[in-house]
Amino acid sequence: GAGVSQSPSNKVTEKGKDVELRCDPISGHTALYWYRQSLGQGLEFLIYFQGNSAPDKSGLPSDRFSAERTGGSVSTLTIQRTQQEDSAVYLCASSSLSGPYYEQYFGPGTRLTVT
Amino acid sequence: ILNVEQSPQSLHVQEGDSTNFTCSFPSSNFYALHWYRWETAKSPEALFVMTLNGDEKKKGRISATLNTKEGYSYLYIKGSQPEDSATYLCAPFGNEKLTFGTGTRLTIIP
Repeated sequence: GAGVSQSPSNKVTEKGKDVELRCDPISGHTALYWYRQSLGQGLEFLIYFQGNSAPDKSGLPSDRFSAERTGGSVSTLTIQRTQQEDSAVYLCASSSLSGPYYEQYFGPGTRLTVT
Repeated sequence: ILNVEQSPQSLHVQEGDSTNFTCSFPSSNFYALHWYRWETAKSPEALFVMTLNGDEKKKGRISATLNTKEGYSYLYIKGSQPEDSATYLCAPFGNEKLTFGTGTRLTIIP
C-alpha cells in the first residue's frame, strides 16, 4: 500500500521567505509527527497530532514554525521568515495510533536549504 | 527531555563479521524502546518495538535485547552484509513522544 509521502523533496529558499512543507500520512493513521534532522544532529521532535486532539507543539523551536492537519489527514508545516539555521531535513511520520507501542512510518523527507 | 546516548557514533565492519552497538536511556518512567534503521536516501524504517525487561526481539540476522532496569538496549547484527550499511537509531518513548538518539552509523566493508 501507499506509504507516507512528502513534498517537495527538496526546497531551496532565500533567507526571510516563508516555506510550506506537506505530508500525506498513511490512510487511516490517526497520529502524525514532524521531525527534523539538522546537520550532525539527531532526529528532533517538532510537533505531533493525534486525531481531533489539540496538537503537541512542545518541540517547535520558535513561533516562526507552525503546523496544521486538515481533515485528520494531510499536514502542512509552515516556516515563516526562514533563517539559515532552519536548513535541515524535515521528516513526517504517521502511526495507526499514538502511544509507546506503535511503530512510526516515515516519509522520505524534505531537504530544506536556506541561502 | 530524555537523554539518549548511542555508541559508538560510527562503526566499520568487515562483511561477514558480527557486530553490536548500544543505546542508553533513562530507566525511569519507561514505556517502550524503538529501534529504527535509516539507509541513505531512504526513510527511517522500524526494526523493533520493545517493552518488557529482558525482552529479546529478532528479525533475520538482526536482534535486540532490552534492560529497562539499568536503561540500555543492545542491537546485534550477525554475519554483516553490505545491505546492513545504515544509521541505526534508538528512541525511548516518554512524555508522549519518542526521543531519538543521534544514531550509530554502520558501514560494511565488502
